[in-house]
Amino acid sequence: QKEVEQNSGPLSVPEGAIASLNCTYSDRGSQSFFWYRQYSGKSPELIMSIYSNGDKEDGRFTAQLNKASQYVSLLIRDSQPSDSATYLCAVLNTGGFKTIFGAGTRLFVKA
Amino acid sequence: GAGVSQTPSNKVTEKGKYVELRCDPISGHTALYWYRQSLGQGPEFLIYFQGTGAADDSGLPNDRFFAVRPEGSVSTLKIQRTERGDSAVYLCASSQRGGRRETQYFGPGTRLLVL
Repeated sequence: QKEVEQNSGPLSVPEGAIASLNCTYSDRGSQSFFWYRQYSGKSPELIMSIYSNGDKEDGRFTAQLNKASQYVSLLIRDSQPSDSATYLCAVLNTGGFKTIFGAGTRLFVKA
Repeated sequence: GAGVSQTPSNKVTEKGKYVELRCDPISGHTALYWYRQSLGQGPEFLIYFQGTGAADDSGLPNDRFFAVRPEGSVSTLKIQRTERGDSAVYLCASSQRGGRRETQYFGPGTRLLVL
């Protein structure tokens, strides 16, 4: 079992729709969870972080965390073509030094 | 201010050669991370520095890989006897103090190709 698992996609949604990205992790002691966006040929950029169970909203983005199920998700509302990128789920391990990334989900938003 | 910078942006070398990759973190950031990203994969953790010391080097794949940060700012990742499997993008990131809730800022990466 991989430490952080994501559906590789691609996930294709029409412009204006909600994109839903999911991630599961194996380290039960993890306390910090992150979503990064990575455009092709570029480096990752942090878009959301979440530390407590429940939802966290920032503009069009909502991160959801369920530690009991070891599950993190990212919702993107009113998806735009500029949201087309790979979304990486990342989890900070129990020790607090090592960030483990999933393989990423490719998202395509069709105009 | 300036972000994380990495040099060179691209490096082509032959199998068996030695390479050095440099990372210049954001000024004042004490935490520095190295990752390796292969095509179609997420970044893979290599090593974490807090100041001059390596706090976690558990991601270094073998003893051909070594990293230093002698003055607590610039870091160099060194790869000996390169192999074709070392070809990847090497990413460096820094954060202010390495806290659990801090943002890691990534550099543009060094694309290494081993022929």
